[in-house]
Parts: sequence; structure tokens; C-alpha cells
Amino acid sequence: EPEVTQTPSHQVTQMGQEVILRCVPISNHLYFYWYRQILGQKVEFLVSFYNNEISEKSEIFDDQFSVERPDGSNFTLKIRSTKLEDSAMYFCASSVGTTWHFGDGTRLSIL
Amino acid sequence: ELKVEQNPLFLSMQEGKNYTIYCNYSTTSDRLYWYRQDPGKSLESLFVLLSNGAVKQEGRLMASLDTKARLSTLHITAAVHDLSATYFCADKDSGGYQKVTFGTGTKLQVIP
Repeated sequence: EPEVTQTPSHQVTQMGQEVILRCVPISNHLYFYWYRQILGQKVEFLVSFYNNEISEKSEIFDDQFSVERPDGSNFTLKIRSTKLEDSAMYFCASSVGTTWHFGDGTRLSIL
Repeated sequence: ELKVEQNPLFLSMQEGKNYTIYCNYSTTSDRLYWYRQDPGKSLESLFVLLSNGAVKQEGRLMASLDTKARLSTLHITAAVHDLSATYFCADKDSGGYQKVTFGTGTKLQVIP
């Protein structure tokens, strides 16, 4: 079964540093997403991406965040200057029609 | 803005018992998903419900959708310890956007 892959599985970064989270969505999917989950809390929408541009973003997705699909297969989330409160599990997802797949997530720890 | 609420937030039940988790959403829905999440793990897709009255079953889990009441339920029959996990519903509203909005989650603990 096809799957969404995310790297790294765990990222530890100093506060104020830039971090890039990487995802390879399923190849025939059309929409790509980033969600985050702070430990023990619900899964929150960050951004959706379609046709090489952002289709929707949440209030969480401020100027510190950006997304890119640099080469037709990878889908990245960049956080420019990390804060302590960015510590969370970040999930990438892709969808086509009613079918969604989530990756295993990247645990981001900000020190 | 779409809001999705689940209750209960925590559920501790004995093996062999039945229980229902409720998912209420605030706007017109296009489809409703149920996911399972084990601690530290990703989201495992359980069901997608597409229309009013839809019912799906897999093993001891059965999900239903009532779009008029804006309510979905996840019914657990004769619970076993392996069902212990957090269960999320996620709703896509009928507007043009593709995102789904997750509910608050229900942490289920099944006690042997």
C-alpha cells in the first residue's frame, strides 16, 4: 500500500534556529497538508497545498512558516525561527478524492 | 468556522462492555472520518462516512453519520484491551476547501 513518508522522525533544535521538515506524499495525490499535534492535544491544521500553491492556511501558519514543493515529489515545511511552543508532532498528509493518508510524523523538540 | 467536538474526552471501560463515542460538528458536512491513534504514533484511518445514514463496521467498531443532527457516533461492541487508544473524528465541511478539522479526541482505556 502506498504511504506518505516523513523525515526525520525526530528533530531536536535550539530555539531561534531554522528547521525544515520533509515529506514525500503519495504520487498520484493532489492535495498536500501539514498538521501539528502538541503532546496530548488534538490535531491542528496548519496549511494545505494544491497546484503548487497554498490553498488554505490557519492562524497558526504565520510568517515564521513556509511550505514548498521543490522538485515534484518532496513537500517541505520550514519554520524560520523556532520557538519553544513549536515543539510538537508534525504530520504531513496527502489526499485524492475522499482518500487521505498521513505520514508517521516528525517529532520536533525545541530546546 | 467549523468546530468539531467529541465526548467523552476520556473513557475507561471494562472488557466486554459496549460504549459509544459522540462527534458533533458545527457546519454542513461533506464527509466524516474516524481515526485511531496509539501513543506516539500516526493516525490510522478507520472509516470515512460520506452520506446521511451511512453506517460502516469493522470488527468491534461501528461508525454512523446523521448529517441532519450533525452527529457521528463510533460504537464499540464488547471492548477488548487492544482497542485502547485515542480516537479522533475529523470533518470536512461542504465548502470548497479540502482540509479536515479534527475533533478533540477521546482517549479510550479498556481495562482487562
